[in-house]
Amino acid sequence: SYELTQPPSVSVSPGQTASITCSGDKLGYKHVCWYQQKPGQSPVLVIYQDNKRPSGIPERFSGSNSENTATLTISGTQAMDEADYYCQAWDSSTGREFGGGTKLTVL
Amino acid sequence: EVQLVQSGAEVKKPGESLKISCTGSGYSFTSYWIGWVRQMPGKGLEWMGIIYPGDSDTRYSPSFQGQVTISVDKSISTAYLQWSSLKASDTAMYYCATPADGAVGRGWDYWGQGTLVTVSS
Repeated sequence: SYELTQPPSVSVSPGQTASITCSGDKLGYKHVCWYQQKPGQSPVLVIYQDNKRPSGIPERFSGSNSENTATLTISGTQAMDEADYYCQAWDSSTGREFGGGTKLTVL
Repeated sequence: EVQLVQSGAEVKKPGESLKISCTGSGYSFTSYWIGWVRQMPGKGLEWMGIIYPGDSDTRYSPSFQGQVTISVDKSISTAYLQWSSLKASDTAMYYCATPADGAVGRGWDYWGQGTLVTVSS
């Protein structure tokens, strides 16, 4: 099965920029989505098709995807952004694989 | 309003069978793939499989192929995830999810509230 690798944890100070990476073989040829999950809650889609934001997701969330790495960037990180973040690759061969998840700490 | 409502928590013994459900409303249920996701306690999200309610086309993650069965009854807008013989390692939260449109790579905009399955002797 297709493997996606994320750093287990990322720390950021309030107001700063957080970057979470997701690596996979030829990932740039696939569509990448990102989800935010807070404790005890269902995941929330924050980025789809590499860099698009669903309605209601703040502009501070952005995404990119090139070659073997996709990146979720949170600009002006707020305390409410503290959560687990998961990348997901979409295509006909890999299905809907998730990365292992990254715990974002805002301190 | 789009909603996915999942069946309630289950407590089962090893070896028992189980079928949990996910009922969609507020959208064209037969038009978009529905996915199932496992989250073991304290762990990450794992994609299990997807089903297209329009024709019941089903794709499984290699990790779950042969371990579970995904099905759908489009007459009642409900997707199912079932086990024939549960193991303690099946203890997890299970989510269903669906996109807002059918574009490739759209992502899962809508999620159910999750069904907690506990398997213990």
